[in-house]
Amino acid sequence: QVQLQESGPGLVKPSETLSLTCTVSGGSVSRFHWSWVRQPPGEGLQWIGYIYYTGRTTYSPSLQSRVTISLDTSKNQFSLKLRSVTAADTAVYYCAREIVFSVEGSLQYYHYDAMDVWGQGTTVTVSS
Amino acid sequence: DIQMTQSPSSLSASVGDSVTITCRASQYISNNLNWYQQKPGKAPKLLIYAAFSLQSGVPSRFSGRGSGTDFTLTISSLQREDFASYYCQQSYGSPRTFGQGTSLEIK
Repeated sequence: QVQLQESGPGLVKPSETLSLTCTVSGGSVSRFHWSWVRQPPGEGLQWIGYIYYTGRTTYSPSLQSRVTISLDTSKNQFSLKLRSVTAADTAVYYCAREIVFSVEGSLQYYHYDAMDVWGQGTTVTVSS
Repeated sequence: DIQMTQSPSSLSASVGDSVTITCRASQYISNNLNWYQQKPGKAPKLLIYAAFSLQSGVPSRFSGRGSGTDFTLTISSLQREDFASYYCQQSYGSPRTFGQGTSLEIK
């Protein structure tokens, strides 16, 4: 059974870089998309971006200028770096696996993506 | 970006009731719509993918419908453990986007 675990500092100073790692156990990062999602206190879910096992990344346009997601297949981990943080970046950060589900149609199978496994989340506070 | 709009933002119901949450996409997304449940202090849990397919282990009282831009999540015969927040999310394009969430509370 695949499990994900986030790790990293719980407190980051304004203007510095937030760095988190997600360790994958029970499966390999050499398949699927690997995502980061965050949730500010009392708010909804915000997708940050993901990395495909090939190393191709896609980011939220609102964060693209400050975010980098990378993959370390040797450690079976993927990471998030968010630069120049402010208090608005205070949130619970989740890592998640996005897989492809195959659904049978009348003539063929159709493929749909969804985040099926999540880490427990880690709280990051931006404060001096 | 594809905007996802959920309604209502909050909902009160009793054990045994049936409730429906609506999610609307700002553009066509076919059936690329997922529903997640989130309980306080916990990570989201995938309930439904591809608009109507139940994730393994999810009770059959949860059902999803819709295609194109309009979708619904129905929970029939509410159980105490169903009181939580629910989010829709589109996987038709990137960036992925979530609805703002619906908080389901016990009446």
